[in-house]
Amino acid sequence: GQQLNQNPQSMFIQEGEDVSMNCTSSSIFNTWLWYKQDPGEGPVLLIALYKAGELTSNGRLTAQFGITRKDSFLNISASIPSDVGIYFCAGHDSNYQLIWGAGTKLIIKP
Amino acid sequence: EAQVTQNPRYLITVTGKKLTVTCSQNMNHEYMSWYRQDPGLGLRQIYYSMNVEVTDKGDVPEGYKVSRKEKRNFPLILESPSPNQTSLYFCASSSMWAAIYSPLHFGNGTRLTVT
Repeated sequence: GQQLNQNPQSMFIQEGEDVSMNCTSSSIFNTWLWYKQDPGEGPVLLIALYKAGELTSNGRLTAQFGITRKDSFLNISASIPSDVGIYFCAGHDSNYQLIWGAGTKLIIKP
Repeated sequence: EAQVTQNPRYLITVTGKKLTVTCSQNMNHEYMSWYRQDPGLGLRQIYYSMNVEVTDKGDVPEGYKVSRKEKRNFPLILESPSPNQTSLYFCASSSMWAAIYSPLHFGNGTRLTVT
């Protein structure tokens, strides 16, 4: 099935650093969603975006729905140890089918 | 507490021995789905159900069966497990009425190893 192109695959960062990850598609999407999976748990929705250009924040997290409707990014400011995990982008395509990215694994260097 | 409950959390079995992973949700959700998660591949949908007695194949249905006899339960059945079905499995549910505005609620996963 179709899959979104999510980058990077993994990130090693220092505590306190800002983090940026993105998702792209070759076709337009109707929604963009960002989920986080903590170790040993299922993914949980962080941010949902429904309009092109929409910029939404959730605490230290900020995500945007790209103007072209083919991309989205997620930024995390001033990372802390509990930010570790896998971040998934997902979105509803033009047929309203939910498509997933492969995930970005965030690791904080000790 | 609103939740999706999967059992068991861990399962080790041998090739060919039928198994069932249970999933139950207490949110009265119409939509339920099974995913498998493999490194580098993210989440891939196995089967989904839009309501009782309505099920459909996802992207990777081969080797799996599901049933939806009650709204709250959506078991995943592996009739003859093979080593390539070793994976982390997630059940998820959401409200059909809210459609794209309803987030998926995931269980905590079942780690299956087939030897």
